[in-house]
Amino acid sequence: DTAVSQTPKYLVTQMGNDKSIKCEQNLGHDTMYWYKQDSKKFLKIMFSYNNKELIINETVPNRFSPKSPDKAHLNLHINSLELGDSAVYFCASSQLAGGTGANVLTFGAGSRLTVL
Amino acid sequence: AQSVTQLDSQVPVFEEAPVELRCNYSSSVSVYLFWYVQYPNQGLQLLLKYLSGSTLVESINGFEAEFNKSQTSFHLRKPSVHISDTAEYFCAVSDLTRGSYIPTFGRGTSLIVHP
Repeated sequence: DTAVSQTPKYLVTQMGNDKSIKCEQNLGHDTMYWYKQDSKKFLKIMFSYNNKELIINETVPNRFSPKSPDKAHLNLHINSLELGDSAVYFCASSQLAGGTGANVLTFGAGSRLTVL
Repeated sequence: AQSVTQLDSQVPVFEEAPVELRCNYSSSVSVYLFWYVQYPNQGLQLLLKYLSGSTLVESINGFEAEFNKSQTSFHLRKPSVHISDTAEYFCAVSDLTRGSYIPTFGRGTSLIVHP
């Protein structure tokens, strides 16, 4: 039973299209994240949600819009896709409230987006 | 802002040889330190973490890392590597003095184990 699952695993699309990536966690965690990993493997935080509320929004174009319908789901919608959006997008989750303060993230397997 | 430096982008090594993957961070005050591993086509998995107490921490598969506060380092070591250790390794730091629980990741070190 996958702890953090993302769909789709691969996504190939044309520039200008709109696409979504879905993420679900069954760990009961209260916080979810989206990270972007570029071609050089650099991991950059994009968004963080705690109990469905946006708490971190790094410098990301407003073409990217996260949506959290409940604390087990965090979806990423991308409008007007550009070539530079090609990357692997990782969803992650963690438990902040009541924890030791050490924020250990559980990652999904990633969604590879290729924009042509 | 906190920064994490992984000095080697790639470390090739022969099977059964020892290896050290280096990690330095910018803050010397209260931090939590982590190593994550990413196997090909998979997400990152926690390998080990330092929160407090003993400065030497170990993982279940033979890796260890030592927190060195004076050198602001958290190098990862294994005395004898296996082919299956081939993966990307990421060092990460949570800087508690800035109240930030979001870990900052290094750029990763690709460990390549040759037979």
